[in-house]
Amino acid sequence: GESVGLHLPTLSVQEGDNSIINCAYSNSASDYFIWYKQESGKGPQFIIDIRSNMDKRQGQRVTVLLNKTVKHLSLQIAATQPGDSAVYFCAAQSRNSGYALNFGKGTSLLVTP
Amino acid sequence: DSGVTQTPKHLITATGQRVTLRCSPRSGDLSVYWYQQSLDQGLQFLIQYYNGEERAKGNILERFSAQQFPDLHSELNLSSLELGDSALYFCASSSGGLNEKLFFGSGTQLSVL
Repeated sequence: GESVGLHLPTLSVQEGDNSIINCAYSNSASDYFIWYKQESGKGPQFIIDIRSNMDKRQGQRVTVLLNKTVKHLSLQIAATQPGDSAVYFCAAQSRNSGYALNFGKGTSLLVTP
Repeated sequence: DSGVTQTPKHLITATGQRVTLRCSPRSGDLSVYWYQQSLDQGLQFLIQYYNGEERAKGNILERFSAQQFPDLHSELNLSSLELGDSALYFCASSSGGLNEKLFFGSGTQLSVL
């Protein structure tokens, strides 16, 4: 089955700096990827997604990069703010494993003033 | 607010007992997903329903079962509860197509004592 993992369990950045959270996946048939943000006591909240026919997608202050060659994706957050402090999950979906999203374990992002 | 409603928010019970968690999907969504989140395992996919039918199954124990009703709400039944079943249980919904983001509820915190 699909294995999705994040490279670092925790990441600490200073307010105003850019953050980069990395994720690796194992299934080369994965064709859809999502980043979620989870704040304490809440459910995961959608940030940005990307399909396998793209290498990069930008949102508001966030960019997702996909490298299918090494099965790696990253989430970049520009000008990180205290409100960005949360746990970030990447998830992948592949047609041959059905419709479920398989999640990694999460990276806890701490933004310090 | 994601539009996905989960009840109850908290549940405390004893080992060997049975509980039912309830989920109402976003208006218009046909598919419901159940996930289990524990501290060391991240978000684990349990099961997915689409328009009343089971569509995908993940790492769901035989002691657990779910169903989706004609009004599209779903229930997750957990029986013969063990201490290790203590976790956050999330419901998510989508329209049910591939390559679609899931919208998560706020979760039910289950504590088995």
